[in-house]
Amino acid sequence: GEDVEQSLFLSVREGDSSVINCTYTDSSSTYLYWYKQEPGAGLQLLTYIFSNMDMKQDQRLTVLLNKKDKHLSLRIADTQTGDSAIYFCAESHAGGTSYGKLTFGQGTILTVHP
Amino acid sequence: SAVISQKPSRDICQRGTSLTIQCQVDSQVTMMFWYRQQPGQSLTLIATANQGSEATYESGFVIDKFPISRPNLTFSTLTVSNMSPEDSSIYLCSAEGVSTDTQYFGPGTRLTVL
Repeated sequence: GEDVEQSLFLSVREGDSSVINCTYTDSSSTYLYWYKQEPGAGLQLLTYIFSNMDMKQDQRLTVLLNKKDKHLSLRIADTQTGDSAIYFCAESHAGGTSYGKLTFGQGTILTVHP
Repeated sequence: SAVISQKPSRDICQRGTSLTIQCQVDSQVTMMFWYRQQPGQSLTLIATANQGSEATYESGFVIDKFPISRPNLTFSTLTVSNMSPEDSSIYLCSAEGVSTDTQYFGPGTRLTVL
């Protein structure tokens, strides 16, 4: 079955860049997502990338996808204390019986120090 | 993007009782899902809520324990039946829009069972 793995913790200083990594096992994954969860809150969709892309940039966020290695990363430039949260990587398929179902990684806790 | 609301936002319930969680989307969506997030864990898909027919449950989840309704394209309910302390979790509703392949989440319902 599908498996999505993330490192559990990342600590950075305010103003530095953060890079959160994710690996997945299902080569038929169609979409890969990054969600942010702040304490006591639901999930906020940050960005997503289609599997035929290798990079996507959106303001301070850069997503890199290495499909050969099944590796996804999220880079946050100029990290702020408000970026402290749990970041989830997730994958889904565009068709078949798994259509729309998201498989999540275990989440990376990002702590930003002033 | 779809805006999703859930009621209640949190509840504390007694063992053996049932709780129904409501999920409302502000626009018509194709697919709606229910996820569970146990304390300190990632999200696990419970079921896909199908409009006008029975929900499709994932392995480990059954209709008797988690009955789901979806009477129209914008509303769904999840009932957690005969609750035990192991059911203490955050329950999140998500939806995928008509013209998008992205999934948006509600704020979650934080359930504590005593």
